[in-house]
Amino acid sequence: DTGVSQNPRHKITKRGQNVTFRCDPISEHNRLYWYRQTLGQGPEFLTYFQNEAQLEKSRLLSDRFSAERPKGSFSTLEIQRTEQGDSAMYLCASSFLRDATDTQYFGPGTRLTVL
Amino acid sequence: QQQVKQSPQSLIVQKGGISIINCAYENTAFDYFPWYQQFPGKGPALLIAIRPDVSEKKEGRFTISFNKSAKQFSLHIMDSQPGDSATYFCAAVNTGTASKLTFGTGTRLQVTL
Repeated sequence: DTGVSQNPRHKITKRGQNVTFRCDPISEHNRLYWYRQTLGQGPEFLTYFQNEAQLEKSRLLSDRFSAERPKGSFSTLEIQRTEQGDSAMYLCASSFLRDATDTQYFGPGTRLTVL
Repeated sequence: QQQVKQSPQSLIVQKGGISIINCAYENTAFDYFPWYQQFPGKGPALLIAIRPDVSEKKEGRFTISFNKSAKQFSLHIMDSQPGDSATYFCAAVNTGTASKLTFGTGTRLQVTL
């Protein structure tokens, strides 16, 4: 399968714990995006990378959130001191900028539940 | 501030009928409008997309109609099938910047037999 993969698919944690999610984009895709989706809502942009550079962060991304993309390949999203409000589906998408459309392909997401 | 408004929230259509989902946007800098389909437990998948220089785009049973002056666009699913039952999201992008997607709130479509 050459699509976007995300691990783990599900994560249950207690409030105050740290969690880390991983996204493996489609190979040769140079852009990688993180979105958050809560129940009944559309995904909301969190941050994006072009190669290894993090070029934009949403104000939704508080200081407890950090994302990395070392060597421009896979990416990790870490949430420190989780809160119940962090419970959501975290989606990763990747794209290769060929023309102005920059089609984004999404992974299956990581569902986080904070107890 | 919700930049892309989507309606209806849910929709029930009989098999063979036409499903229509509407979206409106506010930011005139948006210049690319994709629709995504999402099944439970899966990530969104691109269905069809349009640029504002055309008023309509058709791919198979799926058609986007675009009204630039009204800042509205809609998805029409012709001959709706039970397999179309999913949540549909419209989105908008300003391709001149980061290409981040701004999504609508979604429409849950159920196609009945």
